[in-house]
Amino acid sequence: ETGVTQTPRHLVMGMTNKKSLKCEQHLGHNAMYWYKQSAKKPLELMFVYSLEERVENNSVPSRFSPECPNSSHLFLHLHTLQPEDSALYLCASSQDGDPGGEKLFFGSGTQLSVL
Amino acid sequence: AQSVTQPDIHITVSEGASLELRCNYSYGATPYLFWYVQSPGQGLQLLLKYFSGDTLVQGIKGFEAEFKRSQSSFNLRKPSVHWSDAAEYFCAVVLSGTYKYIFGTGTRLKVLA
Repeated sequence: ETGVTQTPRHLVMGMTNKKSLKCEQHLGHNAMYWYKQSAKKPLELMFVYSLEERVENNSVPSRFSPECPNSSHLFLHLHTLQPEDSALYLCASSQDGDPGGEKLFFGSGTQLSVL
Repeated sequence: AQSVTQPDIHITVSEGASLELRCNYSYGATPYLFWYVQSPGQGLQLLLKYFSGDTLVQGIKGFEAEFKRSQSSFNLRKPSVHWSDAAEYFCAVVLSGTYKYIFGTGTRLKVLA
């Protein structure tokens, strides 16, 4: 198993659908992140969980709902999305020894298209 | 406001030529500094990081970066580029004690054979 696994790799959904993105890390880390990567824009931090507690919520619309049931799994629940939400969604993890000092390990991302 | 600037959106070099990718940051204090690389269809992989100490940092794949406090810069270099280095490169910063990693917009590197 690779370090950080994201499923699905690709997702196409209508604006009225409900779907979920899944992230699983096999590194024993205790912090997990969701980032949004859009063309020609910097990576946008969406949410951070440390020890299964949300520690960052970066003014993300409520149509995105994160869930972290344990330190190895992270979900992003999607509902009533807009076309501008189409992007690559990246999950990352880190070991929370020194927040900000540890490197991020990224998954390969879910390419989301909202029609 | 905190920010990271990568002024070059695209760079093209010939295989075997040297490479320098620029990164400037704006921060109230000296943050931790990182360079990541992203190949098509993949997530980001760490090349190197700077926390303190020697301002010249060695990373994987033959890359190095130099921290210059006076210029608020952290430029990435490689003396001889290989075709497999074609990818997108991201500079990132984070302040100690926070989770808010801030990324630049990236520099896409093309390598000519």
